[in-house]
Amino acid sequence: GAGVSQTPSNKVTEKGKYVELRCDPISGHTALYWYRQSLGQGPEFLIYFQGTGAADDSGLPNDRFFAVRPEGSVSTLKIQRTERGDSAVYLCASSQTSGNYNEQFFGPGTRLTVL
Amino acid sequence: KQEVTQIPAALSVPEGENLVLNCSFTDSAIYNLQWFRQDPGKGLTSLLLIQSSQREQTSGRLNASLDKSSGRSTLYIAASQPGDSATYLCAVRRSGAGSYQLTFGKGTKLSVIP
Repeated sequence: GAGVSQTPSNKVTEKGKYVELRCDPISGHTALYWYRQSLGQGPEFLIYFQGTGAADDSGLPNDRFFAVRPEGSVSTLKIQRTERGDSAVYLCASSQTSGNYNEQFFGPGTRLTVL
Repeated sequence: KQEVTQIPAALSVPEGENLVLNCSFTDSAIYNLQWFRQDPGKGLTSLLLIQSSQREQTSGRLNASLDKSSGRSTLYIAASQPGDSATYLCAVRRSGAGSYQLTFGKGTKLSVIP
């Protein structure tokens, strides 16, 4: 079956602009996660959804970052007033439930470049 | 705070060699540990997941072990091939309420030379 998909694959924007990154999880997966990976680093957690609600947003770096999942499937990560330091690969993952032993499956990521 | 360390940061081996990648974590209170592969410019591919109650998992030429009490895991790759060249990441999911996030190491970049 289809895996996690993310669009766009690449996004180049100018400092100060607003961007939206989209994630389509595996069908039937109720848990969805966003991570950010800077060059040479491992991914870092941003936010976790169980269904439509953000159960844990402790990884969001500041209030310029916001994510939604209105129907419990597709999620959008929104970044306002982008800064050069926001440049990174944004990864989305999903799992069947939020149960403790569930494996997370990752999408290909969106590479964001802020000029 | 959980910290995950992977050693070495980079490794180059000739084709056919067996090799071991190491992962250590500071907090042994985990639910599971996952090993991932990442090709350049790509997302993460899950290789193996080991539950906290397990000692090892095997998939083809890959074998991952877990020693939770000492905070260590190893990924063993047998008979390495050029197609194994990639960055290998380990990640742990800590136990406790609301503990859904994975904490990653920085990865080991593996090059298998034909």
